[in-house]
This record gives sequence, structure tokens and C-alpha cells, in this order.
Amino acid sequence: GDSVTQMEGPVTLSEEAFLTINCTYTATGYPSLFWYVQYPGEGLQLLLKATKADDKGSNKGFEATYRKETTSFHLEKGSVQVSDSAVYFCALSDRGSQGNLIFGKGTKLSVKP
Amino acid sequence: KAGVTQTPRYLIKTRGQQVTLSCSPISGHRSVSWYQQTPGQGLQFLFEYFSETQRNKGNFPGRFSGRQFSNSRSEMNVSTLELGDSALYLCASSQGGTGTNQPQHFGDGTRLSIL
Repeated sequence: GDSVTQMEGPVTLSEEAFLTINCTYTATGYPSLFWYVQYPGEGLQLLLKATKADDKGSNKGFEATYRKETTSFHLEKGSVQVSDSAVYFCALSDRGSQGNLIFGKGTKLSVKP
Repeated sequence: KAGVTQTPRYLIKTRGQQVTLSCSPISGHRSVSWYQQTPGQGLQFLFEYFSETQRNKGNFPGRFSGRQFSNSRSEMNVSTLELGDSALYLCASSQGGTGTNQPQHFGDGTRLSIL
């Protein structure tokens, strides 16, 4: 079945460092791909999305490109801030199973001042 | 626009009891999905409702059930609670039209603890 694999954390960075969180997927169809972020005590917030190959999703300085050839959707940010400390989830949604997001295990990011 | 609202935020129950969780979606959203989040298993899909009908179901036992009302509000019920049901239960809504993959918007969850 469909699945998402993302790098295990925790990831600890200094402020203004470059961030990459790797995410790869397995899907039989043509999924849409998402990154969600979860702050302590809260639900998930959509960070960015891409619905087809070569699409680039971006938001708040974060970017991810849908790479069909490598089945990847890596999250990047050029300069992280302390406020970016959270858990990041990569997810996919297959058109054949609407309303059903398949998530990776999550990567906890801590940014130190 | 109000976000997804889940009630209650926290709940404590004992084994064998049953519980009902509530979710009010964003106005205009017709799809409501439920997820269970635990440290060990991560985020797992429970089920999705669209226009009062269950459209998708995850791999959970029959003790987990749900329903959706005509105003799109949804409830999730868990019967005969077990210790392993302790989790954060998240509800998400989307417009959910056929053939689309619109992003889901999540509530803050209900933290269920089983004693």
C-alpha cells in the first residue's frame, strides 16, 4: 500500500542554519503531497502542498518540490528561526482514496538561538 | 472564518467505558476525517465522512465508529475503551468534492486518556 518515509529526528539547528527534512513516498496512483507542521499542544497546520510532478510548494520561507523520478518531497528552508521549532509531517493523498492522508512518522525540529 | 472545532479538548475515561468526541468543520466543508495520533504508531487514519456517508475507512476495529450530520458536524464514538486507545484524536475538514485532493484543515484535537 501507499506509504511515506521521512527522516527521523530530532533535528537540532542553530538559528539561521539551513534546513532539509527528507521525505520519500510509495504510491500506486498519482498522489498529492503535503507538509504539515504541529506546534506543541496544537493540531496540524498545512505548511505547503504540491499536486503534480515538478510542482514546487512554498510558504513562510519553506519549499518542497514534487520529484516523481525520485519519489521525493524534501522540505527545505534557507534560514530557520526559533519559532520554526515544531514537528513536521510529510503526507500524501491518493486520488483513489480521498479524505485519507497517509503520514510519515514526523520529524521534530528544535532551533536554538 | 472559524477553524475546525473539536470538543472536548481533554477527556479521562476508564477501561470498558465508551466515549463520544465531536467535531465542527469549517463552514462550507463537507468532508470530515478522523485520525488517531500516538507516540508509537504516529498518525493513523480512522474514517472519513462526506455528505453524511462514510466514504473511507482505515484499519481500526469496529469499536471505533462515527457519523456525520446534515450540517456536516461529525461525532466519533469509541466503545469498550482499552488502555491502548489513549491518544490524541484529530479531526480534519475539507471541501471534499469528488475528484479533488484539497488540503485538509485540522482541529486542535481531543486528548483522550484511559485509566
